[in-house]
Amino acid sequence: ELKVEQNPLFLSMQEGKNYTIYCNYSTTSDRLYWYRQDPGKSLESLFVLLSNGAVKQEGRLMASLDTKARLSTLHITAAVHDLSATYFCAVDDMRFGAGTRLTVKP
Amino acid sequence: ETGVTQTPRHLVMGMTNKKSLKCEQHLGHNAMYWYKQSAKKPLELMFVYNFKEQTENNSVPSRFSPECPNSSHLFLHLHTLQPEDSALYLCASSQGGTGERYGYTFGSGTRLTVV
Repeated sequence: ELKVEQNPLFLSMQEGKNYTIYCNYSTTSDRLYWYRQDPGKSLESLFVLLSNGAVKQEGRLMASLDTKARLSTLHITAAVHDLSATYFCAVDDMRFGAGTRLTVKP
Repeated sequence: ETGVTQTPRHLVMGMTNKKSLKCEQHLGHNAMYWYKQSAKKPLELMFVYNFKEQTENNSVPSRFSPECPNSSHLFLHLHTLQPEDSALYLCASSQGGTGERYGYTFGSGTRLTVV
């Protein structure tokens, strides 16, 4: 059975700091998706990574994919409060990780 | 609005009631999905429809019955639910077929409470 594991599940960080969220998956997958969910809201697509070595950046977030290691990372640079949300990764067949609840504190 | 509309936004139902959740997309997508989101299991894929055909049913209890009359509409019919079925039910759509290059678009969800 395909497993998608995210860590950490909870992350509290100071504004201005950097951190990385990890997404490991257990079977081969050529594509990896990252989503953001604000409390009480739906999921918003952040990144679609389509091949090994893919790297995408949007503002303070950068996502990468290593299909050989079955690993994707979401790197946060100089965090700001507005990034507080839950971040999910998902693989090919849209099975999701448990989510990382990020809180950015002043 | 994301292009995927779910109604109702909130639903409270008794265990003996029958109700339906509705999802509609105006994106020209060919695949639609139902997910259950709860505190115990954050995002569980329930059903997948590709070009109106059900292609996946993840061992969902028969008290949940999906219906996809066309590529734009998806329903989830509910009957004799249990309190543990209380959750946020999310609908999503995508272009469908192989190779989802553009990700998936989610609706705002229906918050279901079973009393």
